[in-house]
Amino acid sequence: AQTVTQSQPEMSVQEAETVTLSCTYDTSESDYYLFWYKQPPSRQMILVIRQEAYKQQNATENRFSVNFQKAAKSFSLKISDSQLGDAAMYFCASNTASNTGKLIFGQGTTLQVKP
Amino acid sequence: NAGVMQNPRHLVRRRGQEARLRCSPMKGHSHVYWYRQLPEEGLKFMVYLQKENIIDESGMPKERFSAEFPKEGPSILRIQQVVRGDSAAYFCASSHEYQETQYFGPGTRLLVL
Repeated sequence: AQTVTQSQPEMSVQEAETVTLSCTYDTSESDYYLFWYKQPPSRQMILVIRQEAYKQQNATENRFSVNFQKAAKSFSLKISDSQLGDAAMYFCASNTASNTGKLIFGQGTTLQVKP
Repeated sequence: NAGVMQNPRHLVRRRGQEARLRCSPMKGHSHVYWYRQLPEEGLKFMVYLQKENIIDESGMPKERFSAEFPKEGPSILRIQQVVRGDSAAYFCASSHEYQETQYFGPGTRLLVL
């Protein structure tokens, strides 16, 4: 079965500093996608970044980047130059071709940004 | 290009009543997913639909819950005879293809009194 695990329930970072959120996953599939979603207090789910498993290059989106270690089944999110608006719950998720594309989510990590 | 629309944003029902949650996918998207988020938990998949077809309902409770995505109009998640345990945020997401990025609506917060 496909699983996603986030082992850090809470993290904090000083404004302008860098923070890394951890995520591990387990799948027997070779074709899958990995995602990070952000859920601010408004509770809207916002896509942060996406990684295709067949791509070796780590995805980046402005201040957000991932460290994708396929062999270790690890998919961490790095947030550089943290801003107050980055404070939110962050969810790691994956889907696979054989699993109808439904997303399997981790438990989430609450990120606090200190001014 | 409007995003995924969900309504109502908040819904209050008494035990035993019916709840109808609506979702309009992004323009050009024909794949709709419903997820439920219980308080202090992550999102859990419920059902995946394409126009007029239920593709995967493995996450749907066997009783009281149903979903549809008609040829015309929004997708509907229907909960009959609601109980307090149904209180949650229900999110709809849509994608262009089944394994492409899913974009989420703002969610419907259901409160059962």
